[in-house]
Amino acid sequence: KAGVTQTPRYLIKTRGQQVTLSCSPISGHRSVSWYQQTPGQGLQFLFEYFSETQRNKGNFPGRFSGRQFSNSRSEMNVSTLELGDSALYLCASSRDQGEKLFFGSGTQLSVL
Amino acid sequence: GQQLNQSPQSMFIQEGEDVSMNCTSSSIFNTWLWYKQDPGEGPVLLIALYKAGELTSNGRLTAQFGITRKDSFLNISASIPSDVGIYFCAGLASGTYKYIFGTGTRLKVLA
Repeated sequence: KAGVTQTPRYLIKTRGQQVTLSCSPISGHRSVSWYQQTPGQGLQFLFEYFSETQRNKGNFPGRFSGRQFSNSRSEMNVSTLELGDSALYLCASSRDQGEKLFFGSGTQLSVL
Repeated sequence: GQQLNQSPQSMFIQEGEDVSMNCTSSSIFNTWLWYKQDPGEGPVLLIALYKAGELTSNGRLTAQFGITRKDSFLNISASIPSDVGIYFCAGLASGTYKYIFGTGTRLKVLA
């Protein structure tokens, strides 16, 4: 069974640009969660999607958004990038809410 | 955002030694997960715990769900160099569906 796949692995952007990250969950998993990881703040929850609906949201500004498609694949978008958005963005999938989370390798975003 | 207290923050140990770390919360949790993360990679699930008092092993790793449901412990026996990494706990509080993560324990093993 393939694991959680995130693309791209690395991204370099400049301030003010926008970026879209992609996540393909494990087959059969319908819940996809997104996390931001920085050395100072640890793992911070962004949002969670299930059956194309956002069910939980963390405390991030509206510049961070996401969506989930009918095949459970998910994307997150960050608009008007700021230097502080530089981080490792992790996607995790689970069969359902509250079940074990399985993480992808992440997308390392650098904002210059 | 909310994080769990995890200790120690970091530790250096000699190869062959046993390691213990823990995670504590002020809330009652229904599920505890333990992960290991290597630099630049995503966390890998090591052990999942679902009941107070539960003790579960995965090779040289053993984790326990605290009886108060507010803490969890991870032990690594006979550490080896490849145990190096950051270990995270994650808890799911009663009545919620959002995992909260610990601050991490950075483990360094001296050969």
